[in-house]
Amino acid sequence: DTGVSQNPRHKITKRGQNVTFRCDPISEHNRLYWYRQTLGQGPEFLTYFQNEAQLEKSRLLSDRFSAERPKGSFSTLEIQRTEQGDSAMYLCASSLFGGAGEKLFFGSGTQLSVL
Amino acid sequence: KQEVTQIPAALSVPEGENLVLNCSFTDSAIYNLQWFRQDPGKGLTSLLLIQSSQREQTSGRLNASLDKSSGRSTLYIAASQPGDSATYLCAVNDLDAGNMLTFGGGTRLMVKP
Repeated sequence: DTGVSQNPRHKITKRGQNVTFRCDPISEHNRLYWYRQTLGQGPEFLTYFQNEAQLEKSRLLSDRFSAERPKGSFSTLEIQRTEQGDSAMYLCASSLFGGAGEKLFFGSGTQLSVL
Repeated sequence: KQEVTQIPAALSVPEGENLVLNCSFTDSAIYNLQWFRQDPGKGLTSLLLIQSSQREQTSGRLNASLDKSSGRSTLYIAASQPGDSATYLCAVNDLDAGNMLTFGGGTRLMVKP
């Protein structure tokens, strides 16, 4: 069990550029979540997958955001035409649906700065 | 819409004190509640998970209680240590929220040696 892995750890980009983040969940976990956290606030839910199916999307996930989880393993979160308001920590978490209490395990996050 | 509030927002205590962090939520129809720890610039580490049918959970010096009917949870930290310094977040999983966690704003704890 190597934990949830997120890459890159930090990303600096210019406004209008596209960025993509990757999340590798704990191998046996079938659920994967994306959250966004701004400074001094708690994380906000963006979307989640059960296996390869995207089951829920937040209103925060505008049409510039897209997430995929091909083959139910790793996931990518892409932001197109980035805006300064997209600057935040993007957190990925995974869990085992049907496991005891379905505890979420978070990665260390990707810190995005849009200049 | 579920709202989660944590009080206090920040807390500074001397080493060795016992302390209580508070979390309140507006909709009592929850599946479970989790307490997390977050170190600066890092991800979240799950500390305790309480199912809606449970009253409390304990792990080492940590004890979390849940009073679903009043929409409250507390995290009790015994004999605090400088290594406990971090932000503590509570999050509720609503029954009708599609497995989405709603987080409070966190309590920033500083334990001084």
